[in-house]
Amino acid sequence: KQEVTQIPAALSVPEGENLVLNCSFTDSAIYNLQWFRQDPGKGLTSLLLIQSSQREQTSGRLNASLDKSSGRSTLYIAASQPGDSATYLCAVRGFQKLVFGTGTRLLVSP
Amino acid sequence: DVKVTQSSRYLVKRTGEKVFLECVQDMDHENMFWYRQDPGLGLRLIYFSYDVKMKEKGDIPEGYSVSREKKERFSLILESASTNQTSMYLCASSTGTGVNQPQHFGDGTRLSIL
Repeated sequence: KQEVTQIPAALSVPEGENLVLNCSFTDSAIYNLQWFRQDPGKGLTSLLLIQSSQREQTSGRLNASLDKSSGRSTLYIAASQPGDSATYLCAVRGFQKLVFGTGTRLLVSP
Repeated sequence: DVKVTQSSRYLVKRTGEKVFLECVQDMDHENMFWYRQDPGLGLRLIYFSYDVKMKEKGDIPEGYSVSREKKERFSLILESASTNQTSMYLCASSTGTGVNQPQHFGDGTRLSIL
């Protein structure tokens, strides 16, 4: 059974810092890995999707990497801003469904 | 942009009631999903559907059923609501062409069962 873990569970940084969020999964037989952002009381917004054949994807200040063989992904956020404060979730796509981690709650202070 | 709309943001119901949660998407997506989200447990898949009138059980289908009479609409039904079904419910959709299509989520329905 696929299990997805995100460390740390919470992170607090001052504005301007570069930061890395981690995601690990137990079964490397995945089609893709997706990173989401969730604001309090809201749904999920898709940030990046990395296919199993890819190593990384970039969107603006966000860069996600995937090492399928070791079961790891990282989300790198450059020059963090208070507006980046949210919970970040990773999810891996198996045969029929996504399996989610429990998220990293990020707070960027001015 | 894909729009997934859940009919209620907040809902309060009583134990034993039959509860309907509605979800509509406007992008002609084949796939639709219902999740619940609980602190410390993350998102868990309840049911999903790959086409009209088609449904598949997810990880936690007990106490729930679904209906997909039209392609754009996917309803989650709590047959007899119980307090342990108090949760945040999220609907999602994706296009059916291949496995590498992202899921798009609605804003969620926070359901309280008293």
